[in-house]
Amino acid sequence: DSGVTQTPKHLITATGQRVTLRCSPRSGDLSVYWYQQSLDQGLQFLIQYYNGEERAKGNILERFSAQQFPDLHSELNLSSLELGDSALYFCASSVGDYQNEQFFGPGTRLTVL
Amino acid sequence: SQQGEEDPQALSIQEGENATMNCSYKTSINNLQWYRQNSGRGLVHLILIRSNEREKHSGRLRVTLDTSKKSSSLLITASRAADTASYFCAPYISSGSARQLTFGSGTQLTVLP
Repeated sequence: DSGVTQTPKHLITATGQRVTLRCSPRSGDLSVYWYQQSLDQGLQFLIQYYNGEERAKGNILERFSAQQFPDLHSELNLSSLELGDSALYFCASSVGDYQNEQFFGPGTRLTVL
Repeated sequence: SQQGEEDPQALSIQEGENATMNCSYKTSINNLQWYRQNSGRGLVHLILIRSNEREKHSGRLRVTLDTSKKSSSLLITASRAADTASYFCAPYISSGSARQLTFGSGTQLTVLP
């Protein structure tokens, strides 16, 4: 158990819909990262927040957005969902701002029908 | 874009044998990390090697880094069936506005009892 929690574990929805994925980092970690893992794209970095501020952006689509709240939990919002958005979404956390080892949550499996 | 590329894509060995996985990357890095993933689950951090280090050990793991060749290797000694998993190298790049771990496709290791 990494100490990072993600909810829900599974999510099934339809195209065009909007969903919110939630992540709570390990106690004491200030950075939260979001990743998407799919069979064709592999593991892709989406975005990082550090202590409430956006720190780095990867291959995140404009239909996706994220935020980190004062209690350091983070939410990833996915809108206008497409079939290709079906994937495992991981949240990770680390103590510092960059170069640290990251601790991954169990993931949320999103299925878009 | 993927930076870390693992080789081989799949490796099957007998329990007790050593397993070696290789990683190549493209640009300058701050550090390189290795992670393990059991099927459909979150990634687990194994080891971090900084760009000024050449070798690092952790239990049955030995990691080398050759920045001149932009390559790294992970050696697992005396493998066990429980080591069966996917292994990812993740170069950490920090260049301009880009600062992230970049994962390859992974090496699927199967350890036969």
